Amino acid sequence: ETGVTQTPRHLVMGMTNKKSLKCEQHLGHNAMYWYKQSAKKPLELMFVYSLEERVENNSVPSRFSPECPNSSHLFLHLHTLQPEDSALYLCASSHGGGVTEAFFGQGTRLTVV
Amino acid sequence: LAKTTQPISMDSYEGQEVNITCSHNNIATNDYITWYQQFPSQGPRFIIQGYKTKVTNEVASLFIPADRKSSTLSLPRVSLSDTAVYYCLVAPQASKIIFGSGTRLSIRP
Repeated sequence: ETGVTQTPRHLVMGMTNKKSLKCEQHLGHNAMYWYKQSAKKPLELMFVYSLEERVENNSVPSRFSPECPNSSHLFLHLHTLQPEDSALYLCASSHGGGVTEAFFGQGTRLTVV
Repeated sequence: LAKTTQPISMDSYEGQEVNITCSHNNIATNDYITWYQQFPSQGPRFIIQGYKTKVTNEVASLFIPADRKSSTLSLPRVSLSDTAVYYCLVAPQASKIIFGSGTRLSIRP
């Protein structure tokens, strides 16, 4: 248990569906991140939020829309995804706007059919 | 961010000591060296961080030579449960966390 909780753990969605991934941390951290990990590939940093403001968007397609309503919660809204978006989506948090010690959630395994 | 090079994969046996070396020739003065461990279908887990010389915790040791152009993660007496991907990161402490390909460690009985 890392203190970072992601829901759901598994999600299957059609290409026309809209769904959201949720991340919650109770560590008092003020920075949160979304990563994508496709099969046999390194983790890709998608979004960085610091003090509830998006500070980085690594050229992520607009079909992925993050939301950070407060420092404890982070969402990733999904719509009109493609099969190649199937991956493990990981949320992380840290103290500060990007430090090298981060705590990761268990991830959401997303399958787009 | 400093570029890192580490072996793609390593094999070892239970009870052995495993050393994974990471090269980072262009490490900067304010860079720290951090290692993460990732089990299949789970998020990475912070293992250890150091700046120079040797750091030890309950999980591993990190050896950093004086020139800091490389570092070695040492796992004492590994078990099957140490099978995972190990990532070496070199960056300032206040830096976004970018992962490379890591080293896939396989432990056999």
